[in-house]
Amino acid sequence: RKEVEQDPGPFNVPEGATVAFNCTYSNSASQSFFWYRQDCRKEPKLLMSVYSSGNEDGRFTAQLNRASQYISLLIRDSKLSDSATYLCVVRSSGSARQLTFGSGTQLTVLP
Amino acid sequence: NAGVMQNPRHLVRRRGQEARLRCSPMKGHSHVYWYRQLPEEGLKFMVYLQKENIIDESGMPKERFSAEFPKEGPSILRIQQVVRGDSAAYFCASGARNTEAFFGQGTRLTVV
Repeated sequence: RKEVEQDPGPFNVPEGATVAFNCTYSNSASQSFFWYRQDCRKEPKLLMSVYSSGNEDGRFTAQLNRASQYISLLIRDSKLSDSATYLCVVRSSGSARQLTFGSGTQLTVLP
Repeated sequence: NAGVMQNPRHLVRRRGQEARLRCSPMKGHSHVYWYRQLPEEGLKFMVYLQKENIIDESGMPKERFSAEFPKEGPSILRIQQVVRGDSAAYFCASGARNTEAFFGQGTRLTVV
């Protein structure tokens, strides 16, 4: 089983739609969680951290369910500029605190 | 505060040559991560370093690849005797101990 698993998509949605991405992780001791986006194979950019209580940043809402080892990202009122690959990222605990990336979910917002 | 700087942005090497990729972390960051992205694939972890120490190299191929992060100067990812399969984008990210990481623009390595 992969450490971090995401539905690769692609998700093709019309402008204004609401879309949700899910991510599961295998290491129950994982400590920190993030969503990044990557455009056209440029460098990944941090979208938001994911906190246990859930957090929102404008049209984006991230949630964490530690019991189910599951992270989600909700995008409301999607824009053309939201088209990108969304990467779920998990930081392991202990001395080897590497960041492990999911393979990404591809989103295309259509006019 | 400059971001993470990687150079060169593009690197072409013939099979059998050496490739040296450099990464200067953001000011104040002492943690560096290297990732490789093959065409049409996701990011794959290679190595995680703190100043002068390799913390986790579980993603590094056993041969030809090495990484360092000296006390002074940038982190270096070194690939000896490159082969066509090494052609990829190599991304470096930097961070502090428990924070998110920020990426450089990557080095696109092409082996001809």
